[in-house]
Amino acid sequence: QKEVEQDPGPLSVPEGAIVSLNCTYSNSAFQYFMWYRQYSRKGPELLMYTYSSGNKEDGRFTAQVDKSSKYISLFIRDSQPSDSATYLCAMSSNTGNQFYFGTGTSLTVIP
Amino acid sequence: DAGVIQSPRHEVTEMGQEVTLRCKPISGHDYLFWYRQTMMRGLELLIYFNNNVPIDDSGMPEDRFSAKMPNASFSTLKIQPSEPRDSAVYFCASSLGVTQYFGPGTRLLVL
Repeated sequence: QKEVEQDPGPLSVPEGAIVSLNCTYSNSAFQYFMWYRQYSRKGPELLMYTYSSGNKEDGRFTAQVDKSSKYISLFIRDSQPSDSATYLCAMSSNTGNQFYFGTGTSLTVIP
Repeated sequence: DAGVIQSPRHEVTEMGQEVTLRCKPISGHDYLFWYRQTMMRGLELLIYFNNNVPIDDSGMPEDRFSAKMPNASFSTLKIQPSEPRDSAVYFCASSLGVTQYFGPGTRLLVL
């Protein structure tokens, strides 16, 4: 079983839709949860970072962690064509240690 | 800061040739990571360093791959001899704490 599972999609939504992206994991030691956004032919860039359980909101983006279910989510409200990218979840048990990445979900927001 | 710098951005070589990828991490970061990304396997961690010392190289696919970090501002990933299956995008990332910052990647094609 992989450490982190993520549905690769692709996911295609109309502009303005609410998008839900998810990852599951198996290692209960994970404490740090990140979402990265990767545009085509670019490196991943950090979008959101959450420590332990709970929600974190940043503009149109909300990251949610449910450690009891080993499940994390990223919600995008009022999606825009500029949100079209691949979204990767990542997690770690300690600062600076090895990160475990999901395979990424490809999202297209249609104008 | 200019962010993580990688060179070259693109590399086309023939099977059997030596390939050297270069990375300059963000100044002050104490962790450096090398990743490989392909459509089939996603983002794979190859090796990471802490304070210039290799910590975990279990992701290095085989002896043809080697990485060095002679000082805090420079690292290399070498493939010798290169093979067509090494074709991928290679990313370098650095961190100080939890979040990793990625470079733009080197797109390698081995013919």
